[in-house]
Amino acid sequence: DGGITQSPKYLFRKEGQNVTLSCEQNLNHDAMYWYRQDPGQGLRLIYYSQIVNDFQKGDIAEGYSVSREKKESFPLTVTSAQKNPTAFYLCASSSGQGSSEAFFGQGTRLTVV
Amino acid sequence: DQQVKQNSPSLSVQEGRISILNCDYTNSMFDYFLWYKKYPAEGPTFLISISSIKDKNEDGRFTVFLNKSAKHLSLHIVPSQPGDSAVYFCAASAGGTSYGKLTFGQGTILTVHP
Repeated sequence: DGGITQSPKYLFRKEGQNVTLSCEQNLNHDAMYWYRQDPGQGLRLIYYSQIVNDFQKGDIAEGYSVSREKKESFPLTVTSAQKNPTAFYLCASSSGQGSSEAFFGQGTRLTVV
Repeated sequence: DQQVKQNSPSLSVQEGRISILNCDYTNSMFDYFLWYKKYPAEGPTFLISISSIKDKNEDGRFTVFLNKSAKHLSLHIVPSQPGDSAVYFCAASAGGTSYGKLTFGQGTILTVHP
């Protein structure tokens, strides 16, 4: 079954700790994205990558970092510099070839205590 | 700067009737528009899309209308079913090298009553 897998579904961390969220896709998509959703708000773009070993900041990149060493994987690190890290994080991918349809994973709920 | 806006936070509809969800945008570079459906604690699922060269696209019970001059699009669901109850997000893309990089509205909570 092709799809996007995010793990874990729920994650708890202490304030001041870095945490890495996993995102893997087997759709052979070139482009991958990280979005954040807060209550009552739409999805906001954190980082995106259109090709391996390259990525760009989205609208709210401060306090986050990413890597794209493999086509299938696009992990997101929430650093201690992110002031409000508690949120629902969504990873997505798209073919990037004349189609803007993005496929989403099931999300990771991060709670920082 | 909210480039994609869904001004109705919620909509309540009777089963069998039409649901109309609205979306406005400000960026003239947007040339591809999508609607996603989302349940709590899950990822959004793609519903339907429309290119800026069209003004209507249908897929079963779902129809999206695009009015470029008004920078407005709408999603019609006919007939509405209780299983349609979810949050609906409008999204837009500027195409070119931005394919897949989506700007989302705030979402509209649709409740379909039996």
